[in-house]
Amino acid sequence: KAGVTQTPRYLIKTRGQQVTLSCSPISGHRSVSWYQQTPGQGLQFLFEYFSETQRNKGNFPGRFSGRQFSNSRSEMNVSTLELGDSALYLCASSLSAPRGRNIQYFGAGTRLSVL
Amino acid sequence: GNSVTQMEGPVTLSEEAFLTINCTYTATGYPSLFWYVQYPGEGLQLLLKATKADDKGSNKGFEATYRKETTSFHLEKGSVQVSDSAVYFCALEEGSGGYQKVTFGTGTKLQVIP
Repeated sequence: KAGVTQTPRYLIKTRGQQVTLSCSPISGHRSVSWYQQTPGQGLQFLFEYFSETQRNKGNFPGRFSGRQFSNSRSEMNVSTLELGDSALYLCASSLSAPRGRNIQYFGAGTRLSVL
Repeated sequence: GNSVTQMEGPVTLSEEAFLTINCTYTATGYPSLFWYVQYPGEGLQLLLKATKADDKGSNKGFEATYRKETTSFHLEKGSVQVSDSAVYFCALEEGSGGYQKVTFGTGTKLQVIP
């Protein structure tokens, strides 16, 4: 079974630009979550999508948005990039299973550098 | 809301030393608890889990016991190896009505030197 695939692996952008990151979950997984990881702040939750609906949202500005398609693939968009947006962006998929079985499967991430 | 607090890193140990990474949590009910590990250049992967009080999760020599009385889930290993160098994340899962929300700690970096 294929794992979680994130594209691209690396991105370099300049301040003020916008960027779109893609995540293909494990087949059959309907929940997709996005995280930002930085050395200073650690792992920070961005949002979660389930069946094309945003189910949960972290504490990030409105420049960060996402969506999920009918095949469960998800995209994350960041508009008006700032230097502080440089980070590793991780996507995780899960079955949204009952208690104790809600294991998150992570992709290798997209490394975004904002110059 | 729920939260997970991990000890600040990095933690630097010599090979064969004993490891403890502290994790405490805040939750309204009875969550399930997890440890994930992130090796360099990779995403996170599940290391071990425990679903109820006094359960002990174990994998690859790592152990953690669900302590409800102290709301803790500390990760331990008796003898670390250089290959254990990674970032470790504690997480909890709690919910109702068919929806389980997962909350991660910010991570603790472990460096094992030969």
